[in-house]
Amino acid sequence: AQKITQTQPGMFVQEKEAVTLDCTYDTSDPSYGLFWYKQPSSGEMIFLIYQGSYDQQNATEGRYSLNFQKARKSANLVISASQLGDSAMYFCAMREAQGAQKLVFGQGTRLTINP
Amino acid sequence: EPEVTQTPSHQVTQMGQEVILRCVPISNHLYFYWYRQILGQKVEFLVSFYNNEISEKSEIFDDQFSVERPDGSNFTLKIRSTKLEDSAMYFCASKREVEQPQHFGDGTRLSIL
Repeated sequence: AQKITQTQPGMFVQEKEAVTLDCTYDTSDPSYGLFWYKQPSSGEMIFLIYQGSYDQQNATEGRYSLNFQKARKSANLVISASQLGDSAMYFCAMREAQGAQKLVFGQGTRLTINP
Repeated sequence: EPEVTQTPSHQVTQMGQEVILRCVPISNHLYFYWYRQILGQKVEFLVSFYNNEISEKSEIFDDQFSVERPDGSNFTLKIRSTKLEDSAMYFCASKREVEQPQHFGDGTRLSIL
């Protein structure tokens, strides 16, 4: 069964610093997708970034980048130049290649940006 | 930018009552999902829907739950006889193609009294 592990329940970072949120995954399927979602205190789920298992380059979207290390089965989210508005829960998720391609989520990391 | 729309944003219901959560996926999307997030916990998959039928469901999605796409735009989740443990945030999500990310609605917070 596929599994996502986020080992940092909470992180505190100074504004403007870069932050790395850890995510490791476990799957025996050679084809999969990895996602990061942001959940502010208001509760909605906001898609941030996607990495396919066959993608040669690490994904980037503005201040977000995904540090994909396939051999280590890790997909860490890097946020550069953090802002107060980045304070939220962050979830790593994996999409199964087979079947309905549901997302399997990790437990999440609560990121707090301090001024 | 098109969005997934969920209504209501908050639903309070007495235990044992039926509740219907509504979702309007993005119009050209083909794959639809419901997820649940109990307060303080991770997001859990409930059910997926494609080509007018359920394609997969989790152990949580028992006989009390049903989904329907009654017309070309709405996608509903019905809980027939609610229990206290059904209290959670329920998210609808959709995507157009296999390789694309799922886009989530803002969720419906369901509170069972």
